[in-house]
Amino acid sequence: VTLLEQNPRWRLVPRGQAVNLRCILKNSQYPWMSWYQQDLQKQLQWLFTLRSPGDKEVKSLPGADYLATRVTDTELRLQVANMSQGRTLYCTCSAGTGGAQQDTQYFGPGTRLLVL
Amino acid sequence: LAKTTQPPSMEAYEGQEVNVSCSHTNIATSEYIYWYRQVPHQGPQFIIQGYKDYVVNEVASLFISADRKLSTLSLPWVSLRDAAVYYCIVTATSSGQKLVFGQGTILKVYL
Repeated sequence: VTLLEQNPRWRLVPRGQAVNLRCILKNSQYPWMSWYQQDLQKQLQWLFTLRSPGDKEVKSLPGADYLATRVTDTELRLQVANMSQGRTLYCTCSAGTGGAQQDTQYFGPGTRLLVL
Repeated sequence: LAKTTQPPSMEAYEGQEVNVSCSHTNIATSEYIYWYRQVPHQGPQFIIQGYKDYVVNEVASLFISADRKLSTLSLPWVSLRDAAVYYCIVTATSSGQKLVFGQGTILKVYL
């Protein structure tokens, strides 16, 4: 059973346009949801972790600006803006139980963004 | 967060057993060892996790040295589907949900 849904798997993004991504959680036993990003042939990098509906965080990194929102218990969103032209960016979400001693995170299939 | 060191790449033929090592000399007592793998265009997949000694599941086994400074992921009878980048991550729950991915080990599998 798939724990996290992300659609679409690919998106072409016109230069200067922001893109909104959604991550849908299928099992509420993993309420700690996170966003990660990855540039082509680079390491996966943590962006945000949001636990409760209404939580929001922003972050500016070289090459893009990010706004993450925990919309509901089962939906996490990410807005990516001001991406560098020609950039290929992979964004994936994860979910974990937030256990006291050990916590395994599970990842969604991700969405690959190609900035035109 | 403890830093991990893995071989950059490994090669194997289908049917062979593959052992991927990971050094974490500064691991803290609160930290656990996790292994993930990632194939291109997909999210990381959890493989196994452990704290000490030996752990086994349906996918792999994990051996952790007595001083916990070295762990070895063992994949029995690899197939082409096991070709991926393998990540060893050491982290504690106190670090929150932030997993720090290193360069990983690229595993190439041949027929």
